[in-house]
Amino acid sequence: IAGITQAPTSQILAAGRRMTLRCTQDMRHNAMYWYRQDLGLGLRLIHYSNTAGTTGKGEVPDGYSVSRANTDDFPLTLASAVPSQTSVYFCASSVSSGETNEQFFGPGTRLTVL
Amino acid sequence: GQNIDQPTEMTATEGAIVQINCTYQTSGFNGLFWYQQHAGEAPTFLSYNVLDGLEEKGRFSSFLSRSKGYSYLLLKELQMKDSASYLCAVQDSNYQLIWGAGTKLIIKP
Repeated sequence: IAGITQAPTSQILAAGRRMTLRCTQDMRHNAMYWYRQDLGLGLRLIHYSNTAGTTGKGEVPDGYSVSRANTDDFPLTLASAVPSQTSVYFCASSVSSGETNEQFFGPGTRLTVL
Repeated sequence: GQNIDQPTEMTATEGAIVQINCTYQTSGFNGLFWYQQHAGEAPTFLSYNVLDGLEEKGRFSSFLSRSKGYSYLLLKELQMKDSASYLCAVQDSNYQLIWGAGTKLIIKP
């Protein structure tokens, strides 16, 4: 693989169900991010990780959790999905977090919660 | 609070020039990014400005005025493939990106 991959590409989920969105990068980037993108709003940061073993909360973390067991993977879990979590989810990575680095984005996961 | 403002939508003609403006108010400033996002795809990096002035990269240029909290993206010799959304993002004092809602650019033949 080259760059960032996300899975699944799209998903329809019943409210109350648990769901994990997967994100893997092969660029050996230290920093990784999860965003959601909703119509008419800018990308909003859900959670981030500056390096393997550490995570932090972004602007809209409620209802989501993340883990960073290694450099490459950064899964996002919805413990009990609600309709307001219907969105397009993008995973991104950058070389590091404390400097000015461009972020590289995965192709996105389109999630619908009914 | 933190705020990034961009026009929602713009229309331009193939071969012409278009300027997309972005104004910002953020807690700290560590640079401004422009990304391009085609419909249904991921954002891709276009440009970065941290000092005042113009950065030119082929048909695309980006300008920054930190004192005015203002940037613009200039696209020359517009092509149909430039039809996309253009996202302005400011890196704040914590090096987190604050994103505008994006400007949808429609190119007409």
